[in-house]
Amino acid sequence: SQKIEQNSEALNIQEGKTATLTCNYTNYSPAYLQWYRQDPGRGPVFLLLIRENEKEKRKERLKVTFDTTLKQSLFHITASQPADSATYLCALDGVTGGSYIPTFGRGTSLIVHP
Amino acid sequence: GAVVSQHPSWVICKSGTSVKIECRSLDFQATTMFWYRQFPKQSLMLMATSNEGSKATYEQGVEKDKFLINHASLTLSTLTVTSAHPEDSSFYICSARDQAVRGIDEQYFGPGTRLTVT
Repeated sequence: SQKIEQNSEALNIQEGKTATLTCNYTNYSPAYLQWYRQDPGRGPVFLLLIRENEKEKRKERLKVTFDTTLKQSLFHITASQPADSATYLCALDGVTGGSYIPTFGRGTSLIVHP
Repeated sequence: GAVVSQHPSWVICKSGTSVKIECRSLDFQATTMFWYRQFPKQSLMLMATSNEGSKATYEQGVEKDKFLINHASLTLSTLTVTSAHPEDSSFYICSARDQAVRGIDEQYFGPGTRLTVT
């Protein structure tokens, strides 16, 4: 069955360091992959989308890589700040009934210490 | 950017009663809206896909008679939890795709509704 794995343990880092979060998947051939940020008690907020034919995508301090051979995506936040503390979800999109519908991982909590 | 609102943000109801949650796209038209449920420290689980003017498509294991979805207009979808029970207590989140954007696009999520059934 399709499976998306994100590290369930919280990632604790010091302010200014680079945070790297991992998303692994099995039994899936996604057309694209997305990363979202979710704060407690709030809905997810879209951050980045990367397509299957793209290796890397950047947006300000964020960088996403997508390795379809390893079936893995890495999400980096450079120069991390305490305000970056949140849960980060990866989502894979596959076609269902003609529409792209994402399946979400459980998310990894990031805690940036000042 | 596109904004999706949900109302109410939280609700407490007694077992056996029904609760309606509204999801609105505020500055764009959404032909498709999605309803998710999220338990603590769990991933978002898609419950159903709602298309304007047609019946919703429910995911396997989701009771359509219990979770009634109405997508009456391009900016409004409602989820009604009928005869709610304590196990229905969860965080319900809707999302929408902008009709004007063709092809693959990100979803815009609402802030969520916390439902507690006592």
